Amino acid sequence: AQRVTQPEKLLSVFKGAPVELKCNYSYSGSPELFWYVQYSRQRLQLLLRHISRESIKGFTADLNKGETSFHLKKPFAQEEDSAMYYCALSFGSASKIIFGSGTRLSIRP
Amino acid sequence: DVKVTQSSRYLVKRTGEKVFLECVQDMDHENMFWYRQDPGLGLRLIYFSYDVKMKEKGDIPEGYSVSREKKERFSLILESASTNQTSMYLCASSFHPGLADYEQYFGPGTRLTVT
Repeated sequence: AQRVTQPEKLLSVFKGAPVELKCNYSYSGSPELFWYVQYSRQRLQLLLRHISRESIKGFTADLNKGETSFHLKKPFAQEEDSAMYYCALSFGSASKIIFGSGTRLSIRP
Repeated sequence: DVKVTQSSRYLVKRTGEKVFLECVQDMDHENMFWYRQDPGLGLRLIYFSYDVKMKEKGDIPEGYSVSREKKERFSLILESASTNQTSMYLCASSFHPGLADYEQYFGPGTRLTVT
């Protein structure tokens, strides 16, 4: 069965420190992976997807098929990065997405 | 700019009431979804629809039903609300026929409290 695991409920780092939010997935097919973000009082929105291989707001994520991981990284955290982050896996003809349980990132000044 | 709107931001209902949550999207998207969002559990799919009058159960459909009579509108119905349905409900839409893009666009959410 398809599954997305985010092992950390809360991650707290100091401003300027590196950030890594972990995500592991379970899927027998070819995965399509995303990171979604929800800032305080805003709607959930797409941050980045693995197929585009781009950096958004300084964040990158590399798909590692051997380790079935899609960790989100940023070299220098900023206070405005504080938010809830969800890793997500897309599959199926109607492109259902299953979400991980989320990691709350808190950046300390 | 994609717009997904939900009929209410906050709703308080009594146990046993029938509850309707409405969602409208204006981007001619094929797919629409209803999730509930609970702390520590993430987003869980309740129902989704890939076409008018078509629906499929998600992971937690019990106690819910849906209706999609028009392409732009997807309704979630709680036939007899219970306290364990107190939650944040998110609607999303995706996929325009002319684009190979399955990004989901979310509404602002409805916080439902059942007392």
